[in-house]
Amino acid sequence: AQKITQTQPGMFVQEKEAVTLDCTYDTSDPSYGLFWYKQPSSGEMIFLIYQGSYDQQNATEGRYSLNFQKARKSANLVISASQLGDSAMYFCAMREAPSGGSYIPTFGRGTSLIVHP
Amino acid sequence: NAGVMQNPRHLVRRRGQEARLRCSPMKGHSHVYWYRQLPEEGLKFMVYLQKENIIDESGMPKERFSAEFPKEGPSILRIQQVVRGDSAAYFCASSQQGQPNSPLHFGNGTRLTVT
Repeated sequence: AQKITQTQPGMFVQEKEAVTLDCTYDTSDPSYGLFWYKQPSSGEMIFLIYQGSYDQQNATEGRYSLNFQKARKSANLVISASQLGDSAMYFCAMREAPSGGSYIPTFGRGTSLIVHP
Repeated sequence: NAGVMQNPRHLVRRRGQEARLRCSPMKGHSHVYWYRQLPEEGLKFMVYLQKENIIDESGMPKERFSAEFPKEGPSILRIQQVVRGDSAAYFCASSQQGQPNSPLHFGNGTRLTVT
């Protein structure tokens, strides 16, 4: 079964508008971390934001915020005031340790975001 | 540059040759992870190492692939007798801790092309 599901292969947004990228996850581990990464066309992976499973408030980092709904096992990324430079692939990832093993991060297949001027 | 350093950035090998990919983690990071990314896909976990130890290699192919992280020097991902299917981007990441709240910081990747 998929640990991380990103159902939107591609998204389009107008510059200066907000956009939400979906991510759902599957785990039975009570302690886990959720991350979002950005991969521009140049190929590097850029860490954006982190949400812990025990965090009471949604994480925010500048124009990025994470809409964390624990009961629904969703961790959607919200980008406010989109900029042309936000055009990239976005990956959702989770660190969990099933059966007391190592916290290995697992990645979704990604969502391609294109920001139109 | 205090980030994760990977080299080479691009590597071309003929079938049957060996590929060596290097990764120096961020300063102060002792946890290293290797991932492979195929075109249009996400990152697939390969191996997790700490200094001189392989912690989890559940994602590594059983044959031809090996990894090490010696006491001194960078982590090395080694692919012997490469085949065309090994062509991919290989990313190294490091973290300060192995806990769920510790983000991975990635290098720029090595693009391996097998001809």
